[in-house]
Amino acid sequence: AQSVAQPEDQVNVAEGNPLTVKCTYSVSGNPYLFWYVQYPNRGLQFLLKYITGDNLVKGSYGFEAEFNKSQTSFHLKKPSALVSDSALYFCAVRDRKSGAGSYQLTFGKGTKLSVIP
Amino acid sequence: AAGVIQSPRHLIKEKRETATLKCYPIPRHDTVYWYQQGPGQDPQFLISFYEKMQSDKGSIPDRFSAQQFSDYHSELNMSSLELGDSALYFCASEIWVRHIQYFGAGTRLSVL
Repeated sequence: AQSVAQPEDQVNVAEGNPLTVKCTYSVSGNPYLFWYVQYPNRGLQFLLKYITGDNLVKGSYGFEAEFNKSQTSFHLKKPSALVSDSALYFCAVRDRKSGAGSYQLTFGKGTKLSVIP
Repeated sequence: AAGVIQSPRHLIKEKRETATLKCYPIPRHDTVYWYQQGPGQDPQFLISFYEKMQSDKGSIPDRFSAQQFSDYHSELNMSSLELGDSALYFCASEIWVRHIQYFGAGTRLSVL
């Protein structure tokens, strides 16, 4: 079965500093990997995905993530954190199944990011 | 741009009552997913539909059922509600070959 681990429940970073939110995955075969962000009382917003190709993926709001197959990791990064980046971040994975239809996401437990002014 | 619409946003029910949650996917999206997010938890997959046919099933209780209609909107029906059903229920839609699920704002269900 596929799974995702986010080892940090909370990450604190000073505004203007680089941030990293960690994610490791376990899946048979090659995965599809995603990062979503959730603000209080809001739905999940898509940030970026890795399907294939370059290991460094760029996404929304200046975020990027690096896919590392040997370490089975997909860490989320941003060069300079903003206070408005404070939110709950979820890493997710889905299997590469054949055929049309369902590709449900399996989420990690989430990491709360707090950017301190 | 159009987003996924969920209604109602908040719902309060008593134990053993029934609830119906509605989801209107983004136009031309062919796949709909339902997820349940308990307090402080990650979202858990319940059920999905591709082109109005059920395509996969996750950890959905037998008390719950869902369907997708001809206009592509979907409804999640929940019966014999229990306290443990209190959660945030998300609907997401996608064009499945593009591999990006877009989430609605969710319905917060409180069972008293």
